[in-house]
Amino acid sequence: DIQMTQSPTSLSASVGDRVTITCRANQTISNFLNWYQQKPGRAPNLVIFGASSLQSGVPSRFSGSGSGTQFTLTITSLQPGDLATYYCQQSYSTPRTFGQGTKVEI
Amino acid sequence: QVTLRESGPALVKPTQTLTLTCTISGFSLGTTGMCVSWIRQPPGKALESLARIDWDNEKYYSTSLKTRLTISKDTSKNQVFLTMTDMDPVDTGTYYCARMSYTSGWNAFDFWGQGTMVTVSS
Repeated sequence: DIQMTQSPTSLSASVGDRVTITCRANQTISNFLNWYQQKPGRAPNLVIFGASSLQSGVPSRFSGSGSGTQFTLTITSLQPGDLATYYCQQSYSTPRTFGQGTKVEI
Repeated sequence: QVTLRESGPALVKPTQTLTLTCTISGFSLGTTGMCVSWIRQPPGKALESLARIDWDNEKYYSTSLKTRLTISKDTSKNQVFLTMTDMDPVDTGTYYCARMSYTSGWNAFDFWGQGTMVTVSS
């Protein structure tokens, strides 16, 4: 199985801050990397797919980058509604695997 | 619009078998490229993929749980089923079903159900 490692596990930031979350795969996954936002008590919601493509309806302050084994999710100008845990997930091979999550606190 | 809805028992006893149902709408598992996965989340912990079934009835399982899992579908009823045997308290958590499409979005899980909470306790 491909292992996904996220850092940091949690972070605290202020409204308007730029936030960066990193995800690393233990083998190359090309661009088959997706990011999900999970608000408290809710199901995950797809934010970024294919490492850098913004899912329809997601604000443009979210962006993704990277390829191969290292990826980044960036939130520019953090908003109160961005309070959530963010997960990366590889869709390169089966079984699909997730990172351990990064909790973003405002 | 695409929706998925999980259903099943909220409480199961240790050693029992859990059966969950995912009822889908807005798409068909008879359509080439469509897949449904089961994913679980223990309280306060990360997401874990359990199983996936594809439009052509191909099935894939978690490496660590494959001996306990069976996924199946009834395309005509728009339902996907997951059975997990020999339930243990560590299996307590929220169980989600989610759609994956090979025809869009780099095989991401683009639609999710709201989840169903399962507690394993005697």
